Amino acid sequence: KAGVTQTPRYLIKTRGQQVTLSCSPISGHRSVSWYQQTPGQGLQFLFEYFSETQRNKGNFPGRFSGRQFSNSRSEMNVSTLELGDSALYLCASSILAGVRDTQYFGPGTRLTVL
Amino acid sequence: SQQGEEDPQALSIQEGENATMNCSYKTSINNLQWYRQNSGRGLVHLILIRSNEREKHSGRLRVTLDTSKKSSSLLITASRAADTASYFCATDAGSGNTPLVFGKGTRLSVIA
Repeated sequence: KAGVTQTPRYLIKTRGQQVTLSCSPISGHRSVSWYQQTPGQGLQFLFEYFSETQRNKGNFPGRFSGRQFSNSRSEMNVSTLELGDSALYLCASSILAGVRDTQYFGPGTRLTVL
Repeated sequence: SQQGEEDPQALSIQEGENATMNCSYKTSINNLQWYRQNSGRGLVHLILIRSNEREKHSGRLRVTLDTSKKSSSLLITASRAADTASYFCATDAGSGNTPLVFGKGTRLSVIA
């Protein structure tokens, strides 16, 4: 069974631009969660989607948004990029709803904001 | 602040030695998970231990949980160079639908 895939793997953007990241979960997994990882703040939870509904949201500004499609694929969008948005963005899927379940992570998208 | 805090922040050992990492947390939990991350990559789930369990094994990994002390430890026995990675504990806050909270990790270097 294929693992979690994320595209693109690397992105370079400039301040003020927006970006969309994509995540395809493991087949049969209906929950997709997004995390931001930076050296200073570590791994921080962004949001979780299950059956196309946002079930949980972390403490991030409204510039960070996401959605999930009927095939469980998910996208996250960051508008009006800031330098501090440079990070590794990780997507994780799980079988059950609720991010307490074992999370299966993708390789991440490395976003650099110049 | 982080729910889980790993200790030490960095650990360097020789191949064949055992490595022990600790995680402390602040509030009651339903379960605690350990993950591994190779440099700049995604996390890999290692083991999940529930709050009513005290010890769990998986291959060369041994995890203990002491809910009275709000702490867990991860022991890797007979370490290999391939074990070089960052190790994170992740906890849920124990009530409601709160998300997993990750610590900042222990960076393990295994020298061949």
